[in-house]
Amino acid sequence: GAGVSQSPRYKVAKRGQDVALRCDPISGHVSLFWYQQALGQGPEFLTYFQNEAQLDKSGLPSDRFFAERPEGSVSTLKIQRTQQEDSAVYLCASSASRWRGANTEAFFGQGTRLTVV
Amino acid sequence: AQKVTQAQTEISVVEKEDVTLDCVYETRDTTYYLFWYKQPPSGELVFLIRRNSFDEQNEISGRYSWNFQKSTSSFNFTITASQVVDSAVYFCALNYNAGNMLTFGGGTRLMVKP
Repeated sequence: GAGVSQSPRYKVAKRGQDVALRCDPISGHVSLFWYQQALGQGPEFLTYFQNEAQLDKSGLPSDRFFAERPEGSVSTLKIQRTQQEDSAVYLCASSASRWRGANTEAFFGQGTRLTVV
Repeated sequence: AQKVTQAQTEISVVEKEDVTLDCVYETRDTTYYLFWYKQPPSGELVFLIRRNSFDEQNEISGRYSWNFQKSTSSFNFTITASQVVDSAVYFCALNYNAGNMLTFGGGTRLMVKP
């Protein structure tokens, strides 16, 4: 596609519910990132994929967070047993860079705003 | 550890004024990249510029200019003759060669009033 697409744009979940957030990266982009952006703050790194391999998941805040990219294109971020502190905008980004390769810019989607009530 | 500090949380200017957004970074790496992104109300982060640590030349793109100074670990962004459409949150970010993720500052909200 022309840009990074995320769905849904908005999600309201009851506390304890599981949610799944989808990211369609730019076609052909090797790298895919997930970031979490709390209200009024900068995005914080969650996890990184190169193709289907999850090379870094150091930013995932707990074992309730799980991400996958099984075919090296679309990615899903899953949050189990959501808590109020999970309320944030979840941003996906993709880039043509490879792990530790020449660094090109990342292109971001519009994000999914998750509200846990 | 990597860190990016944007000390100005909010700036308000009148249209046509010049405005500078400050960014100070910390890293132990000798090879790194610095970025500026714009986040309009629609939410997506729009790429503005990337600089590598070996290129200290200042850059100008239309009304935008960037001043990179390694001696003070700063990468400041100036908008000349600001316009209402420049109103957004601006993020400075750092990427070091050991990994591909970006470390963002807290952002500066710029409001340009007509």
